[in-house]
Amino acid sequence: QVQLVESGGGVVQPGRSLRLSCAASGFTFSSYGMHWVRQAPGKGLEWVAVIWSDGSFKKYADSVKGRLTISRDNSKNTLYLQMNSLRAEDTAVYYCARDLRPLAARPWYGMDVWGQGTTVTVSS
Amino acid sequence: QSALTQPASVSGSPGQSITISCTGTSSDVGSYNLVSWYQQHPGKAPKLMIHEVIKRPSGVSNRFSGSKSGNTASLTISGLQAEDEADYYCSSYTSSNTFYVFGTGTTVTVL
Repeated sequence: QVQLVESGGGVVQPGRSLRLSCAASGFTFSSYGMHWVRQAPGKGLEWVAVIWSDGSFKKYADSVKGRLTISRDNSKNTLYLQMNSLRAEDTAVYYCARDLRPLAARPWYGMDVWGQGTTVTVSS
Repeated sequence: QSALTQPASVSGSPGQSITISCTGTSSDVGSYNLVSWYQQHPGKAPKLMIHEVIKRPSGVSNRFSGSKSGNTASLTISGLQAEDEADYYCSSYTSSNTFYVFGTGTTVTVL
């Protein structure tokens, strides 16, 4: 079945780094744009980043620009989020999500498949 | 880029209809038919309920419908049921620097 499984979350000190992974299965991963979305404890959803299906373009929220980097390996059906210079405000559940339309010129149609989320806690 | 504006809470009795608004700007909701709506139950991942303003994914109840007027999009839930009690978020593409934005979220309570 179509599935996304995140991993790599944990507790990390401020200023340190962490890399999240999102393993995709059950669909042609290389045909879809992919997003990262996060949710701080008790707060709403915050869009973090998107990457085009072929990895050619990436976009970021202002709050993470320059610190978080989205990437993908289509040969491994895996999406990544490299998180550097982490801050307390990065503490959240991080979800990966698939954009709705395959082979779309832009991944802006909505997110139809979501992972279960992985928790990142930034604390000393 | 600020979040799209939603009411913090909406409530209704079983069988009633409720509407959740999502107000943006001419950089997002007002200019693009790329508004989506998500349902999220506590401790669960969000679920896509509406995409491209009015389209319903297969498997989503037809009690859920979307619309848009100017800079405001809306989600209507008809025949409210206990299982509809959840948080709801709108989202949209934005031509501003950031590409995508979510709404502030609305908690729906079934009385």
